[in-house]
Amino acid sequence: NAGVTQTPKFQVLKTGQSMTLQCAQDMNHNSMYWYRQDPGMGLRLIYYSASEGTTDKGEVPNGYNVSRLNKREFSLRLESAAPSQTSVYFCASSQTSGDTLYNEQFFGPGTRLTVL
Amino acid sequence: AQKVTQAQTEISVVEKEDVTLDCVYETRDTTYYLFWYKQPPSGELVFLIRRNSFDEQNEISGRYSWNFQKSTSSFNFTITASQVVDSAVYFCALSNDRGSTLGRLYFGRGTQLTVWP
Repeated sequence: NAGVTQTPKFQVLKTGQSMTLQCAQDMNHNSMYWYRQDPGMGLRLIYYSASEGTTDKGEVPNGYNVSRLNKREFSLRLESAAPSQTSVYFCASSQTSGDTLYNEQFFGPGTRLTVL
Repeated sequence: AQKVTQAQTEISVVEKEDVTLDCVYETRDTTYYLFWYKQPPSGELVFLIRRNSFDEQNEISGRYSWNFQKSTSSFNFTITASQVVDSAVYFCALSNDRGSTLGRLYFGRGTQLTVWP
């Protein structure tokens, strides 16, 4: 049981390049989330997905796209990276339907992204 | 609107001191959930506790205790007899009950706790 896994762990991009951050969970959770963490800002929600096939914008969605490929996987894509997207990205999952409501979110180890 | 405020940006204590981390929240919902997460220097986020809005009982887990007071919209976290391993950033978070944002967490900016030997 690996929990939430993210790849890659580190990435350096040049301005304008694109990349996809991968996230997978093996806990059969229905909801998945992408956050970014910047110094002194806490974690801010980029996008989330309450179920397979649905996605919604969070606080800071500009410059990002997401895909909920299936129940396990939720990817985050930067189409044209900018230095302002330099951050640590966390994926999380939780169970928000059924009998076990509002369980805590389980987080992946994070991806440290630098955009030059 | 949902908002979580952690007014203490950084706290330094010496080992064995007690320390309290403050968390104040804002929400218009009657049903909501409060969380504390720990982020050690290694970077991962570790869940510590969840409390729902209908349960104001304080909770103790070993050296950790939490004081939830709806009257002051606070959910404070106390570490008793702190240890160097408690050094981390601690985040308070709020989750509401609204359908469109069900389960979404609103984080405070975190408190960096440093425990010196």
